Amino acid sequence: QVQLVQSGAEVKKPGSSVKVSCKASGGTFSSYAISWVRQAPGQGLEWMGGIIPIFGTANYAQKFQGRVTITADESTSTAYMELSSLRSEDTAVYYCARGGVSCSGGSCYSSPPDYWGQGTLVTVSS
Amino acid sequence: QSALTQPRSVSGSPGQSVTISCTGTSSDVGGYNYVSWYQQHPGKAPKLMIYDVSKRPSGVPDRFSGSKSGNTASLTISGLQAEDEADYYCCSYAGSYTPHWVFGTGTKVTVL
Repeated sequence: QVQLVQSGAEVKKPGSSVKVSCKASGGTFSSYAISWVRQAPGQGLEWMGGIIPIFGTANYAQKFQGRVTITADESTSTAYMELSSLRSEDTAVYYCARGGVSCSGGSCYSSPPDYWGQGTLVTVSS
Repeated sequence: QSALTQPRSVSGSPGQSVTISCTGTSSDVGGYNYVSWYQQHPGKAPKLMIYDVSKRPSGVPDRFSGSKSGNTASLTISGLQAEDEADYYCCSYAGSYTPHWVFGTGTKVTVL
């Protein structure tokens, strides 16, 4: 069955960077869309960006443009999310999530994520 | 891209129905039939309950239903059960590229 397994919790200093990994098993990694969603303590879900590995290009929410980099390694079925210039407000649980992709007439659409990783807590503190 | 607007909380007794609204704009909810709903229990990852406005993934009870009118989508839970107590988030495709999602502010459903 499909599983997304994320890397472990991180504690980072303000101004530093963090890189979280998400290893997928079950299904064909390259032909799905991987999104990254975060949730600050007691707060709601926030979509950060996503990538369809077979296409290679990542898309980002405007709020995170310039500060987040999402990549995918097809050889290991692993996606990565790197967030830089960390501040205390970035303390959150970060989830990777997988959605299907369908293409028709030259356009492709990613269906909403239906499989989620277990989440990775990133704590930013001096 | 602003978060979609949901009521902070709704409540109902077992067996009753509750409806959660999700208001966006013509650039997201109103522009596409790609609204989904997630259920999240404390400390757990979200679970997809509804996609494409009104479709249910396999295994989701038919007590959960979705609809949309204009810029507002709705999730209705009929025959409320204790295990339905959770946070619910709407999510809409936000256009221009894929994937590109915007989530709602979240609604706490309490079973009285």
